[in-house]
Parts: sequence; structure tokens; C-alpha cells
Amino acid sequence: AAGVIQSPRHLIKEKRETATLKCYPIPRHDTVYWYQQGPGQDPQFLISFYEKMQSDKGSIPDRFSAQQFSDYHSELNMSSLELGDSALYFCASSSRGRGDTQYFGPGTRLTVL
Amino acid sequence: GDSVTQMEGPVTLSEEAFLTINCTYTATGYPSLFWYVQYPGEGLQLLLKATKADDKGSNKGFEATYRKETTSFHLEKGSVQVSDSAVYFCALVGAGGTSYGKLTFGQGTILTVHP
Repeated sequence: AAGVIQSPRHLIKEKRETATLKCYPIPRHDTVYWYQQGPGQDPQFLISFYEKMQSDKGSIPDRFSAQQFSDYHSELNMSSLELGDSALYFCASSSRGRGDTQYFGPGTRLTVL
Repeated sequence: GDSVTQMEGPVTLSEEAFLTINCTYTATGYPSLFWYVQYPGEGLQLLLKATKADDKGSNKGFEATYRKETTSFHLEKGSVQVSDSAVYFCALVGAGGTSYGKLTFGQGTILTVHP
């Protein structure tokens, strides 16, 4: 079965640079979620989109922005990167009409030097 | 707000031992409850879920029962294998309101199974 695809899988950036993470949800899923997992931490919710509209916002810094496109893929844009942004970033997708269970992608490991 | 508390880890067991990982939650209404597993270097995989009180989720020999009266969702397995070594996260999705759908995770429990 098709799964959530994230790219890139690994990303290394310098402080103050910009990064863009991409997420391709499972086909026919209408909702995308972004989570950040720091080293040894549990995942923290950042933001979600339903039918291309932002539906909820968590602890996402103002330096970060995200959107969901017409083909339902989503991008997380991160600017003025800080050392503390180094983490695993997960995307998950779900379908509101089919039980809402979230299925996670493999994650993007961002390292800020 | 919603919160999930897992038993402190790490947990180290011998192969074929019985496993219990405790999970309790705080939430309004009737949240949906989940166990996710994260193998080293990989993403989060859904292990099992329960959406209403007294439901039992089960998968790959793991079980958990949604106990509304004790606000718990403990994970159990009768006989663990080395391949079960991973980090286990208990999580919930709130029952509605403005925070539709976001998962709230516990702190995770590291399980190591020795041969």
C-alpha cells in the first residue's frame, strides 16, 4: 500500500539559512499534519491542514510557515534556522471520512550547523 | 489541555518475557487512543488503536484496552521477541473542539529485548 512520502530524508543547513521540507500524503487523504521530534523527545505537533486550509496550529515558530497545495502535498518552510531547529520532522496524513487515523512518513532529519 | 503519561523507561526484558507498558491520559470527553512504535532510525508506525471505552486494540500480539474509569490504555504482550526492541509511544486525539485531530504523545518508552 502507498505510504506517506517525505523529502528530503536528510538535510544539513547552516545557521540563518532556509530549508523546505516536502510531504506527499497517502492518496485520497485530505488532511496533513506536521510534527517535530527533538533528540530523545516525543513528537510535538506543529501545524495541520484540511482540504488545503490550515486547520490547527501548535507550537510552530513564527519563522516557520507551511501550506497544502491543490494536489494535497504539503511543504514546511523554515527560515533563519537556529541550532535548536535540529530535529526529525514528521509528516502524517489521514482521511476525515475514514476514521482519521494518522499515518506517518519516514521523517526528514534536519541538522543545523 | 490533553496530556499522556507513560511509565518511565527504559524497559529491558529477556526474550519470551511478558511486557506491560503503562499509559494514562488526561482529556475531556472521549478521546481516541493509540500506540505507535518507532524502530531505530525509522518513522512512527501505528501499532494499535481504540476509539471508545472498553474497546480492545490488538496487532502483532500486542493488546491494549481503553479503560475510561481509570483513564488508561496499557500496552501488553505475552511473549516479546528481540525484534520488538523499539520506542513505544502512547498517544491520543482529542474528542473535538478547536484542536481537531492533532496527536498528543506520551514521552515514549524504550524497550530492549535480549536473547
